[in-house]
Amino acid sequence: EAGVAQSPRYKIIEKRQSVAFWCNPISGHATLYWYQQILGQGPKLLIQFQNNGVVDDSQLPKDRFSAERLKGVDSTLKIQPAKLEDSAVYLCASSYTADNPEAFFGQGTRLTVV
Amino acid sequence: GQNIDQPTEMTATEGAIVQINCTYQTSGFNGLFWYQQHAGEAPTFLSYNVLDGLEEKGRFSSFLSRSKGYSYLLLKELQMKDSASYLCAVGFGGATNKLIFGTGTLLAVQP
Repeated sequence: EAGVAQSPRYKIIEKRQSVAFWCNPISGHATLYWYQQILGQGPKLLIQFQNNGVVDDSQLPKDRFSAERLKGVDSTLKIQPAKLEDSAVYLCASSYTADNPEAFFGQGTRLTVV
Repeated sequence: GQNIDQPTEMTATEGAIVQINCTYQTSGFNGLFWYQQHAGEAPTFLSYNVLDGLEEKGRFSSFLSRSKGYSYLLLKELQMKDSASYLCAVGFGGATNKLIFGTGTLLAVQP
């Protein structure tokens, strides 16, 4: 079974530029999560999708971050414009259902904003 | 709101036993997860508890008390490769399957 795929693995941008991350979850997984992990901290949930609907985006800075999951499969997370404090690893995870809730993580995208 | 607490750092000796505690407050509890995360890598699943009691899986065991909002991860026969961050995560929200993480406990295993 293929795991969660993310790209790119690394990205360096200047502040005020824009960036996009892509995630392809495990086939059949209805739930998709985007997390932000700053060095030395636990993952912070940014947004959660159930199929193509948003379940929770309460911690997404909506003035600069956006995410979509068209067709309920792969997803993109965008930052525009980026700030220095956005430097972090962006992790995508997916899970099957609430009855089978184990979340599987992709390798993440390490973003550095300079 | 939801809240998860766990110690920031722990140190243990190779071959010993270590217990990492986690307390949580949440509504609509679905279950409690433990993940292991090595530096620079993604979290990997270790265990899942939905009912009270102890779940054993090789050298790792996890305990849950829902009435106390408390869990622990027990690592036996510690090896150097167990040096990692251990993340406590809580599933909640019923069918919406929400998942939030604590800040993680950085475990250093010394020879």
